[in-house]
Amino acid sequence: QVQMLQSGAEVKKSGASVKVSCKASGYTFINYGISWVRQAPGQGLEWMGWISAYSGDTHFAQRFQGRVTLTRDTSTTTAYMELRGLRSDDTAVYYCVREAEIIGVVMMAYWGQGTPVTVSS
Amino acid sequence: DIQMTQSPSSLSASVGDRVTITCRASQSVSSHLNWYQQEPGKVPKLLIYAASSLEIGVPSRFSGSGSGTDFTLTISSLQPQDFATYYCQQSYTAPRTFGQGTKVELK
Repeated sequence: QVQMLQSGAEVKKSGASVKVSCKASGYTFINYGISWVRQAPGQGLEWMGWISAYSGDTHFAQRFQGRVTLTRDTSTTTAYMELRGLRSDDTAVYYCVREAEIIGVVMMAYWGQGTPVTVSS
Repeated sequence: DIQMTQSPSSLSASVGDRVTITCRASQSVSSHLNWYQQEPGKVPKLLIYAASSLEIGVPSRFSGSGSGTDFTLTISSLQPQDFATYYCQQSYTAPRTFGQGTKVELK
C-alpha cells in the first residue's frame, strides 16, 4: 500500500531554515508527482508547491517562490521540502502528498502524516 | 491565481440532515475540482475527484456535481462521523488552490 512517511516535529528560531523529508513506498516513485501542503493552527489548507518525481521539475505558489526548495532523491524514494527565512507565521503542519491522475484530473490522493514545524522568536 | 470560495464557512446540522456545500472558482476549472474531508486532528482525505467521482471506499451518501466555476458537495443523510471540515481544491492549473473550508458542526 502507498505510504508517505514524514520526518518528525521541528522547532526552529525565526530566520532559520527547516528541511522536511517524505519517504515514499508502495508504488513506483518516479511515476507520480508530490505536492506539499501546509496548515497553520486552526486554519485551512495551503498548497505550497509540487515536484515531479521523474524529472525534478517544480512549481510553486507565488508567495513561497524564492523561499522554498523542493527536491527528491530517486535512489531512496524520498522527497524533501526546505523552507528558509522562517517567520512565526510559518508555524504549521506540513504535509507531503502523492498525487494521482484519473481521466486527466490530478488529485491529492495519499497524504503523509504531517510534520509540525514551530517557529519561535 | 484561481481563487476558490466556499460557502458557507460553517454550518450546524443534525444527524440525518441533508447538507450542501458550494464551491465557486474565480475562473473556469472545467471538471478539475476535488473535495477533501478533514476530521478534527486528522489528515485530510480525498472524498471526490473530477467534480463528481467518488473515491474508492467513500460512502454513497456523498456526492459532487458541477463544472466550470460552480460546484456542490452534498451529504444526503449526515452521519456522526461526517462532522468535519470540507475543502474544495482546483487542480486545473498551478497553484492548486484550496477553498477556505466549510466546518460541519453538530446542531
